[in-house]
Amino acid sequence: ETGVTQSPTHLIKTRGQQVTLRCSSQSGHNTVSWYQQALGQGPQFIFQYYREEENGRGNFPPRFSGLQFPNYSSELNVNALELDDSALYLCASSLSNNEQFFGPGTRLTVL
Amino acid sequence: GQNIDQPTEMTATEGAIVQINCTYQTSGFNGLFWYQQHAGEAPTFLSYNVLDGLEEKGRFSSFLSRSKGYSYLLLKELQMKDSASYLCAVREDNAGNMLTFGGGTRLMVKP
Repeated sequence: ETGVTQSPTHLIKTRGQQVTLRCSSQSGHNTVSWYQQALGQGPQFIFQYYREEENGRGNFPPRFSGLQFPNYSSELNVNALELDDSALYLCASSLSNNEQFFGPGTRLTVL
Repeated sequence: GQNIDQPTEMTATEGAIVQINCTYQTSGFNGLFWYQQHAGEAPTFLSYNVLDGLEEKGRFSSFLSRSKGYSYLLLKELQMKDSASYLCAVREDNAGNMLTFGGGTRLMVKP
């Protein structure tokens, strides 16, 4: 148990819909990173939030957006869902640049 | 950008030793991480190297050579529960706490 929680556990959506995924960081952590992990591949960095500001972004289109709240929890929003967005979405929290602790992930299926 | 390579699959016998290699090419380097990921679960932190040399932690050790862009994870006294994917991840200079992951090495431990 890392103390990082994510909701929901599983989610099924259809193409074109929008989705919001949530993450609660470990107590005392101020940085949240989001990753997308397709089946059989390593996680790919989406973006990172530090003290409520976006602090880095990977190679993902603008329809992937996020928020971090004053309690350091975070949301990942994906608009206009595509079939290829089907993946495990991982949230990781850390204290600044220290080691990242991952949550259990949200399995998103887009039909 | 970064390029991280690790073998896709490896098989080893219970009680044996296995070495999982990782090579990387990066424009800047600020640490290399190893994570273990069981099927359907979140990655869990194993080790961190930022200086050359060997870091030992129980049955697991990790080695780094920055000049060669090379790391390995050494697992001793293999147990069946070590069957998992092992992810190599590099953090780049001036990239916050963003990690770039390799595709992962799926290790199967046989009796």
